[in-house]
Amino acid sequence: QVQIVQSGAEVKKPGASVKVSCKASGYTFTSYAVHWVRQAPGQRLEWMGGILADNGNTKYSQKFNGRVTITRDTSASTAYMEVSSLRSEDTAVYYCAREDDRAGVFDIWGQGTMVTVSS
Amino acid sequence: DIQMTQSPSTLSASVGDRVTITCRASQNIRTWLAWYQLKPGKAPKLLIYDASTLEGGVPSRFSGSGSGREFTLSISSLQPDDFASYYCQHYNGYPYSFGQGTKLEIK
Repeated sequence: QVQIVQSGAEVKKPGASVKVSCKASGYTFTSYAVHWVRQAPGQRLEWMGGILADNGNTKYSQKFNGRVTITRDTSASTAYMEVSSLRSEDTAVYYCAREDDRAGVFDIWGQGTMVTVSS
Repeated sequence: DIQMTQSPSTLSASVGDRVTITCRASQNIRTWLAWYQLKPGKAPKLLIYDASTLEGGVPSRFSGSGSGREFTLSISSLQPDDFASYYCQHYNGYPYSFGQGTKLEIK
């Protein structure tokens, strides 16, 4: 069946980087975009950016421009999201989601990856 | 950027109740609105898109309405599985944004 499985929880120190993976299965990976959304404790969902899986074109929220990099490996049907210069406010659950044919609608989500930033 | 505001933040209800959640956009988003259900430790679930179109497999007790700046999500007869958090999201251009969420609790 169509599903997305994310990598496991991470604990990082301030200033470090983290890279979360998102493996898709059950559909043609290059036919869809993949986006990343995070939720910090007690906060709303926050869109971070996305990537077109076929050509690798990316779009980022201005809030994260420069600190977040989204990539993909088509041979592995996997998307990646790296956050650099981590700070405590980056502690959150990070989700990846498939954007379906209706641009902006996220129809399949991963289970989430908890990233904790703590000294 | 478009701001999304949901109300209420918390809603207490009983099995069998009908509930309504409201979502307001800071500007006209036509019908470019989706609703999602979130449960702890699980993948979020798309319920409704284009403001009122039910995603395949979603029970018909869920419905959405609205256009422009004001939208609602209704659940006609609450079931135990419906107690969760709900978020609206606009997709009227970048950056996409979400409401602050509504936690639906058992009364």
